[in-house]
Amino acid sequence: KAGVTQTPRYLIKTRGQQVTLSCSPISGHRSVSWYQQTPGQGLQFLFEYFSETQRNKGNFPGRFSGRQFSNSRSEMNVSTLELGDSALYLCASSDTGVVDGYTFGSGTRLTVV
Amino acid sequence: QKEVEQNSGPLSVPEGAIASLNCTYSDRGSQSFFWYRQYSGKSPELIMSIYSNGDKEDGRFTAQLNKASQYVSLLIRDSQPSDSATYLCAVSLSGGYQKVTFGTGTKLQVIP
Repeated sequence: KAGVTQTPRYLIKTRGQQVTLSCSPISGHRSVSWYQQTPGQGLQFLFEYFSETQRNKGNFPGRFSGRQFSNSRSEMNVSTLELGDSALYLCASSDTGVVDGYTFGSGTRLTVV
Repeated sequence: QKEVEQNSGPLSVPEGAIASLNCTYSDRGSQSFFWYRQYSGKSPELIMSIYSNGDKEDGRFTAQLNKASQYVSLLIRDSQPSDSATYLCAVSLSGGYQKVTFGTGTKLQVIP
């Protein structure tokens, strides 16, 4: 069974630009959650999607958005990038949601310069 | 007060000893509890989940939950150098709150 696939693995962007990250969950999993991981803050919840619907959202500004497609693949977009957005962005896949526990992808390392 | 608190460590234990990792949480409505292990430069991986008060054992790992004290712990018996990693405690509410909150993790070092 293929794992959770995140692309790209690394990104370098300039302040003010926008970026789109992609996540393909484990086949059959319908829930995708996104987290930002930084050394100081740890894992911070961004949002969770289930069957194309956003079910929950963390405390991030509106520059952070996401969506999920009918095949459960999910994208996360960050507009008007700031230096503080530099982080590891992790996608987590589960069958029905949080009760199952997550399988994480390898992450996308975003550096904003 | 942080929602999920862990001692950042590092916690150093000799090989073969029992490592005890602790976590407290603030929301009494929390229903699901998880332990993840994260090796340096890697993504977290699920080790254990626990939902009811008491102990749950899986191989060398035992998760313990005490909802009255809002406390969850992970015991690693016969610790091995390969157990050296950061251990993340994670907590979620029930009732449709599809959000898991993570602690900042405890770094464990197993000394050969």
